[in-house]
Amino acid sequence: QQQVKQSPQSLIVQKGGISIINCAYENTAFDYFPWYQQFPGKGPALLIAIRPDVSEKKEGRFTISFNKSAKQFSLHIMDSQPGDSATYFCAASERDFGNEKLTFGTGTRLTIIP
Amino acid sequence: DTGVSQNPRHKITKRGQNVTFRCDPISEHNRLYWYRQTLGQGPEFLTYFQNEAQLEKSRLLSDRFSAERPKGSFSTLEIQRTEQGDSAMYLCASTTAGGHVEQYFGPGTRLTVT
Repeated sequence: QQQVKQSPQSLIVQKGGISIINCAYENTAFDYFPWYQQFPGKGPALLIAIRPDVSEKKEGRFTISFNKSAKQFSLHIMDSQPGDSATYFCAASERDFGNEKLTFGTGTRLTIIP
Repeated sequence: DTGVSQNPRHKITKRGQNVTFRCDPISEHNRLYWYRQTLGQGPEFLTYFQNEAQLEKSRLLSDRFSAERPKGSFSTLEIQRTEQGDSAMYLCASTTAGGHVEQYFGPGTRLTVT
């Protein structure tokens, strides 16, 4: 059972444009939603994360929008740059006071073209 | 470099052989996770340690897999009698205790079973 669904699978955006990646979850016990960025040959690295008590979080060019009632969240990359070309994963975890394992989406390969 | 390190980075083995991977977490991190990532997919949780105690194992972790974390420092993941379906990237992540803090991932060990 895929608990976090991510779309699109791949995305091509022109330099300077806005990249938008969407995720939907099923488990209402999830209460932490990070986005990870992964470059080829590297492990995932945390980009930005949100908790469900807020509807939006912005860090530089990266914004997470969160819709608790729809169980959806999205990543917006403003002014996309070639260096943003990578695979992006949304993830979610439950507050367990112990094992806060991450459940990942299937990933979006983002390519920024000049 | 004080990040999470994993060795080896690549391992090619023949079906039926045993392999062992090592993860060295960030030194002050008491929580350690193993994930498996297959091509085109997001990482999937395998197992979790808090200090030296292995507290949860995924159903993905068959009895051919065993993980240890002696003395709560480095961890090893062993796969016995490897199968072609074990070919994947094995990722290790570490974090401190307490409430949805960032999991820091290592670069992974890519296993190819021929």
